[in-house]
Amino acid sequence: GAGVSQSPSNKVTEKGKDVELRCDPISGHTALYWYRQSLGQGLEFLIYFQGNSAPDKSGLPSDRFSAERTGGSVSTLTIQRTQQEDSAVYLCASSLLGREQYFGPGTRLTVT
Amino acid sequence: GENVEQHPSTLSVQEGDSAVIKCTYSDSASNYFPWYKQELGKRPQLIIDIRSNVGEKKDQRIAVTLNKTAKHFSLHITETQPEDSAVYFCAASIYGGSQGNLIFGKGTKLSVKP
Repeated sequence: GAGVSQSPSNKVTEKGKDVELRCDPISGHTALYWYRQSLGQGLEFLIYFQGNSAPDKSGLPSDRFSAERTGGSVSTLTIQRTQQEDSAVYLCASSLLGREQYFGPGTRLTVT
Repeated sequence: GENVEQHPSTLSVQEGDSAVIKCTYSDSASNYFPWYKQELGKRPQLIIDIRSNVGEKKDQRIAVTLNKTAKHFSLHITETQPEDSAVYFCAASIYGGSQGNLIFGKGTKLSVKP
């Protein structure tokens, strides 16, 4: 079946602009996660959605970052007033509750 | 919160040799420990995982061991092949609870030389 998809695959933006990154999870997966991977680094947790519960936002690095998940499916990660240090690959993952996480291909964000 | 340390950061082995990657975690409540393989430019993919109710799990050439007392777990790859070359990440989580996110180590770049 279809895996996790993300769009765009690449995004180049100017410092100070807002960006939106999209994640389409595997159908039926109730849990959705956003992670960030900087060049040569591990994966940093950003935010976690589980069903209709309030999201766990404990990993968001600043109030410029926000995310929403509409209808328990598609999620959008928004970064306002982008900074150069926001440049990274943003990875989305989904899972059934308490099960293996499947990752999307990521969005490579470059802030110039 | 949870912290995961991973060693070594780079590992080079000859084809056919074994490779071992070690991780330690800090939160004794963590009960799920997956290992992901990430090839260059690709998404992380789960290769094996272990839960805290077992001490060892094996899948063909790959095995993972867990020592809950010492709070460390290791990945063992036997008979390495060039296609095993990739970055490997360990992670820890409180599985099945309200905290579903994974805390990752910083990765080990494995190079298998033919």
